[in-house]
Amino acid sequence: GENVEQHPSTLSVQEGDSAVIKCTYSDSASNYFPWYKQELGKRPQLIIDIRSNVGEKKDQRIAVTLNKTAKHFSLHITETQPEDSAVYFCAATPWDYKLSFGAGTTVTVRA
Amino acid sequence: NAGVTQTPKFQVLKTGQSMTLQCAQDMNHNSMYWYRQDPGMGLRLIYYSASEGTTDKGEVPNGYNVSRLNKREFSLRLESAAPSQTSVYFCASSVGLAGAGEQYFGPGTRLTVT
Repeated sequence: GENVEQHPSTLSVQEGDSAVIKCTYSDSASNYFPWYKQELGKRPQLIIDIRSNVGEKKDQRIAVTLNKTAKHFSLHITETQPEDSAVYFCAATPWDYKLSFGAGTTVTVRA
Repeated sequence: NAGVTQTPKFQVLKTGQSMTLQCAQDMNHNSMYWYRQDPGMGLRLIYYSASEGTTDKGEVPNGYNVSRLNKREFSLRLESAAPSQTSVYFCASSVGLAGAGEQYFGPGTRLTVT
């Protein structure tokens, strides 16, 4: 099955700086890569996703890049704000019902 | 429109006790999932139901059973709880395949087994 590794496990950034989280996956058949954000005590929620036919996708301060050859994808958050503090999960799936998640990155934005 | 709801929110069990976690969605989704979340391990799929009437094992199914009661409801049963099943359990639903789009999560159930 798919194996997703996520780094770093914790990330502390100064407000206004950028944050980058990287994930690698093992199954070359994977073609859908979502990112979920989980605030403390809350449920995970999708913030952005990318498909294998696209190399980059942006949504305001958030962007995701995908390198299919190297089998890795990254989340970029620019101009970080206190409300960006949360746990972020990457995930990957081939075209089936099973979504494989990374272990998560705890992002802390320092004021 | 409540989305995905779960009951109970919290539960404490003694080793060997049984319980059922309930999940319901009102988005007319075909697929439903049960995950467990443990510190440092992300979300791991226990069971899923691709459509009404079908269920399949995920990554960590041992010690659990599921029932897709109808299109709206998907329950998770622990027949004989063990301390290793202490975790936060999330139910989720999606329109169809995991690769087809967003999974919507419920608020979670925090289960402690002593």
